[in-house]
Amino acid sequence: GDSVTQMEGPVTLSEEAFLTINCTYTATGYPSLFWYVQYPGEGLQLLLKATKADDKGSNKGFEATYRKETTSFHLEKGSVQVSDSAVYFCALSPQILDNYGQNFVFGPGTRLSVLP
Amino acid sequence: SAVISQKPSRDICQRGTSLTIQCQVDSQVTMMFWYRQQPGQSLTLIATANQGSEATYESGFVIDKFPISRPNLTFSTLTVSNMSPEDSSIYLCSVEVYRAYNEQFFGPGTRLTVL
Repeated sequence: GDSVTQMEGPVTLSEEAFLTINCTYTATGYPSLFWYVQYPGEGLQLLLKATKADDKGSNKGFEATYRKETTSFHLEKGSVQVSDSAVYFCALSPQILDNYGQNFVFGPGTRLSVLP
Repeated sequence: SAVISQKPSRDICQRGTSLTIQCQVDSQVTMMFWYRQQPGQSLTLIATANQGSEATYESGFVIDKFPISRPNLTFSTLTVSNMSPEDSSIYLCSVEVYRAYNEQFFGPGTRLTVL
């Protein structure tokens, strides 16, 4: 079945450091790919998405490129801030066959701590 | 997008009791889901809430333990029955919106602690 693998955390960085969180997936066809962020004590928020190969999703300084050839969707940010401390989840939505009923698959999450 | 609210936001309950969590969406949506997030873990899908019919449960989850109602396209409830400390988790409601691809929006979650 479909699956998502993320680098294990926790990841601890100093403010203004470069961030990469690796995500790879296994799926048939062309899934849509997402990064969700969960700040302490809150639910999940969509951070960015990419729906086809070579698409780049971006938001709040974060970027991720859909790489079909390596089945990857790594999250990057050039300069992290303390406020970026959260748990980041990579997820996929299987290729649409009938528009609905295709369950999302979430990775295990990566906890990021940014120190001042 | 869809704005989702959940009630209660958190609760502390005694073993053996039940808690009903409400999920309200600001627009009509076809697909609604309930997830469980155990401490330090990722999300596990409990069930798909179907409007006007029984929910579709994932492996390991049963209706007697997690009864779900969905009376209309904007509202759903999840009950955690006969609770034990192992049920302590965050319970999240989500909805799926179709825009040439499926995108899920999440509620803020209900943090449940069972003593």
